[in-house]
Amino acid sequence: GAVVSQHPSRVICKSGTSVKIECRSLDFQATTMFWYRQFPKQSLMLMATSNEGSKATYEQGVEKDKFLINHASLTLSTLTVTSAHPEDSSFYICSARPSQAYYGYTFGSGTRLTVV
Amino acid sequence: SQQGEEDPQALSIQEGENATMNCSYKTSINNLQWYRQNSGRGLVHLILIRSNEREKHSGRLRVTLDTSKKSSSLLITASRAADTASYFCATVAPGYSTLTFGKGTMLLVSP
Repeated sequence: GAVVSQHPSRVICKSGTSVKIECRSLDFQATTMFWYRQFPKQSLMLMATSNEGSKATYEQGVEKDKFLINHASLTLSTLTVTSAHPEDSSFYICSARPSQAYYGYTFGSGTRLTVV
Repeated sequence: SQQGEEDPQALSIQEGENATMNCSYKTSINNLQWYRQNSGRGLVHLILIRSNEREKHSGRLRVTLDTSKKSSSLLITASRAADTASYFCATVAPGYSTLTFGKGTMLLVSP
């Protein structure tokens, strides 16, 4: 089946530094990928829609200068958390839809970001 | 993004019992999907039901959809300890491709 690989699975960084999270579709091409944020014991909140070759579409309230998204190829999208602060600590998950004919989505395994 | 409601928020049962989770949503939909999330992991797609469908089965899973009540239910029959996870419903609105997630139900299945 379709696989989305997300790395790293865990990262600890110091306040003020930047962290890059990668999301790759391994066996399909993804013109669109989605980035979510999840706080402990809560649901997923869509942060942005990543579009290959064009600018990402951010949800209301998400700072585009803080959460930089790059979708440089049909199989790779990256989320960079810039100038990270402790309140950015969260679980970040990406997803993509392997088939235009089917609406089910495949999710990465998530990245636990801790900012100290 | 607007979230729906799921109930119960938490459900604890014994192995072999059935587990029923409910989901309500607020807007019209193209389809509704259910996902499972093990602790600290990504989501796994379980089943999708389209707006013109009323019931769907997949293995031990049964999903119903009532668009007049804007609600759906997920039934897991003969539950196993390995079914312990959080379960989320997610809707896709007509003309859109993004998922809007419900708040989820944490299911604990004890041996």
